[in-house]
Amino acid sequence: KAGVTQTPRYLIKTRGQQVTLSCSPISGHRSVSWYQQTPGQGLQFLFEYFSETQRNKGNFPGRFSGRQFSNSRSEMNVSTLELGDSALYLCASSLGGDARETQYFGPGTRLLVL
Amino acid sequence: DQQVKQNSPSLSVQEGRISILNCDYTNSMFDYFLWYKKYPAEGPTFLISISSIKDKNEDGRFTVFLNKSAKHLSLHIVPSQPGDSAVYFCAASAEQTGANNLFFGTGTRLTVIP
Repeated sequence: KAGVTQTPRYLIKTRGQQVTLSCSPISGHRSVSWYQQTPGQGLQFLFEYFSETQRNKGNFPGRFSGRQFSNSRSEMNVSTLELGDSALYLCASSLGGDARETQYFGPGTRLLVL
Repeated sequence: DQQVKQNSPSLSVQEGRISILNCDYTNSMFDYFLWYKKYPAEGPTFLISISSIKDKNEDGRFTVFLNKSAKHLSLHIVPSQPGDSAVYFCAASAEQTGANNLFFGTGTRLTVIP
């Protein structure tokens, strides 16, 4: 089975711009979660999508948004980029059931905001 | 506010010896704990998990111990191998905040010396 894929792998943007990142989950997985990893804060949960609906949300400003398509692929959007948004953005997929399941992570998209 | 803490940023161990990685948490609502391993340029890879109803879980060379009263968990790797050299993250979740909302520690870099 193919793993979680994320595109693009690297991205450079300037302050004020917006960016869209993409995540394709493992086939059959219906839940996609997004995390931000920075040197100072570590890995922090952004949000989770399940069956095209946001099921859970972390403590990030509204500039961070996402969506999920009917094929479970997910996109994350950051508007009005700030320098502090420079980070590794990871997505993780799981089956999405009620039981505690393993989340499988993609390789991440490294975003640099200049 | 870091709810999951890994106070040792790095650890060096000789090949064949035991590696012990520690993790503390503050939120008593956490009821599921996981360890992930991360190599450079890759996403975190799931290693082992433990539910709060257990105090030990074993999988091959990896054993996780949970001390709920101390809000402490540890990962033991025996015997350590050079391929175990990576950054190890502990993570926790609570049913109330969502099974896929993982709270991560800041990681411990393990180096296994041949």
